[in-house]
Amino acid sequence: GAVVSQHPSWVICKSGTSVKIECRSLDFQATTMFWYRQFPKQSLMLMATSNEGSKATYEQGVEKDKFLINHASLTLSTLTVTSAHPEDSSFYICSADLSVYEQYFGPGTRLTVT
Amino acid sequence: AQSVAQPEDQVNVAEGNPLTVKCTYSVSGNPYLFWYVQYPNRGLQFLLKYITGDNLVKGSYGFEAEFNKSQTSFHLKKPSALVSDSALYFCAVRDNGKAAGNKLTFGGGTRVLVKP
Repeated sequence: GAVVSQHPSWVICKSGTSVKIECRSLDFQATTMFWYRQFPKQSLMLMATSNEGSKATYEQGVEKDKFLINHASLTLSTLTVTSAHPEDSSFYICSADLSVYEQYFGPGTRLTVT
Repeated sequence: AQSVAQPEDQVNVAEGNPLTVKCTYSVSGNPYLFWYVQYPNRGLQFLLKYITGDNLVKGSYGFEAEFNKSQTSFHLKKPSALVSDSALYFCAVRDNGKAAGNKLTFGGGTRVLVKP
């Protein structure tokens, strides 16, 4: 099946700094990628839809200036958490659309803000 | 708006017994339905999907699911559970109507614990 990678898999940063997470589709091109956030023992919450070459579409309640998304190519989307705070600590998962019937997920990135 | 409900937070089953994880959905158009499994600190792995056609869908690792339009359900089943099936299972729906876009909506997840 199609493979989606994320880097880094785990990151610790200090409060006030920014962190960039990369999401790559390794063996297919993805016009659309998605970013999710997952709290412990909870479901995935869609944060934003990332479209190659255009601005991301953010879900209601998600601060677009805090969670910057860039989809610069058909195989790469990045999520930058700006001025991170402890409440931003979470598991972030990206996914990529191979088609409307198939969405593949990355392994996730655990962010801890101290 | 589309939604998914997984009524059970946890399902316990003995190894070798049948496993069922329940899912009901709500969409305005026709649904595309999916099951994913998540192991600790990992992303989601695709198990199976229903797009159209036969109501019984067979997927990875011996799992299957039955689409029931009248009951708006898509329950996941496995005839004989393994200890290695212990994980978190998510049901998801995508409305194929244009207005809904390509968003997947997830249920709350069901933790499956298979005891030896």
